[in-house]
Amino acid sequence: QSVLTQPASVSGSPGQSITISCAGTSSDVGRYKYVSWYQQHPGKAPELIIYEVNSRPSGVSDRFSGSKSGNTASLTISGLRAEDEADYYCSSYANGITYVFGSGTRVTV
Amino acid sequence: QVQLQESGPGLVNPSETLSLTCSVSGASITSYYWTWIRQSPGKELEWIGHIYYSGGAYYSPSLESRVSISLDTSKSQFSLKMSSMTAADTAVYFCARHLRIGVNDRGALDIWGQGTTVTVSS
Repeated sequence: QSVLTQPASVSGSPGQSITISCAGTSSDVGRYKYVSWYQQHPGKAPELIIYEVNSRPSGVSDRFSGSKSGNTASLTISGLRAEDEADYYCSSYANGITYVFGSGTRVTV
Repeated sequence: QVQLQESGPGLVNPSETLSLTCSVSGASITSYYWTWIRQSPGKELEWIGHIYYSGGAYYSPSLESRVSISLDTSKSQFSLKMSSMTAADTAVYFCARHLRIGVNDRGALDIWGQGTTVTVSS
């Protein structure tokens, strides 16, 4: 059972922007800057797209952006493209010991 | 190019111990944190634990009574052992590397193995 809550699905049209929420608690998302986001296409391993709330690894499109407010983190995808159709997971450092994942969101374009 | 490759049995009997190995190439195993994650058929990801060569291992509270992660620097490998396996442990198991920028771990996983499917069944 996932600790961080995400919407099961979000959809949008090409070119639009969508936002995925990731609700945690004061022991994880609300406490640490170590919030990250992963994109996973079917049959593939997840890929890192955002780390430390709002930083992008080299090579990741600037159409992906992250933010955090209180105990909730968010991922925004702007200029939605067909290749953005995938599952998205958030993750956060938790309780000073380990990490937790979100329940995952299926994005449909 | 950094690559991680999981290896181990695809089928485990209930109550037995699972042993998986992650082979690391292209990166120094003593310079990063390394993690095991699993993904159930329902697709939820679960953090199993992580290890640093000089800092010990840390485990998910829900699994720590059954899990052990170790690191073999001579072979550039790290391993997962999970005891008392049940059908609920059936999943794809991934190994991954923590992102490091400068000397600091960034609390995110930038390199993943392809994953290995483990089925628990008699």
